[in-house]
Amino acid sequence: DVKVTQSSRYLVKRTGEKVFLECVQDMDHENMFWYRQDPGLGLRLIYFSYDVKMKEKGDIPEGYSVSREKKERFSLILESASTNQTSMYLCASSSRGRLLGELFFGEGSRLTVL
Amino acid sequence: AQRVTQPEKLLSVFKGAPVELKCNYSYSGSPELFWYVQYSRQRLQLLLRHISRESIKGFTADLNKGETSFHLKKPFAQEEDSAMYYCASGGSNYKLTFGKGTLLTVNP
Repeated sequence: DVKVTQSSRYLVKRTGEKVFLECVQDMDHENMFWYRQDPGLGLRLIYFSYDVKMKEKGDIPEGYSVSREKKERFSLILESASTNQTSMYLCASSSRGRLLGELFFGEGSRLTVL
Repeated sequence: AQRVTQPEKLLSVFKGAPVELKCNYSYSGSPELFWYVQYSRQRLQLLLRHISRESIKGFTADLNKGETSFHLKKPFAQEEDSAMYYCASGGSNYKLTFGKGTLLTVNP
């Protein structure tokens, strides 16, 4: 069973803390993505990566950074968490091949910033 | 920039009634269109893609380039269809743009 695994399901952090969200996929996918999901706003792309050590900004990259040191792992970093970053964060991966657009999602990491 | 519009945040129908979830897109090239679904307490997953032209769980969606629409339809809704539905479009750079989602509730 193919899997995208997000290490933390629920996190509570304080304003100003550094936050790491980890995502691992076992499908040997080239592409990996971080979205945030908010009621009424849908899914918004934060960053994506189409290869190791490569990254591209999505639609809302401000306040976030990412790291892709290994093909299977894509990390989202909040350098200094703020309350407006309270959200559900979804990691996804996809193959570069013909199945364009078929994203496989993790279960999500619900972050609360106090 | 790509844009996907789902005009209805909420849609409520009775079991056995037809259901249509609307989606309009803006993209200058030839987009790939998708519907994703998220059932309660489950991860987001692909429901169908326009290029496949298939029916999944009784749902179909037709790409209408003239109206730039990709509405999702099912002739007879079931209670287990209650979920959040997202329309998405993709171009050549592997990333998808999602709509804001429609929460479908099918009442008994």
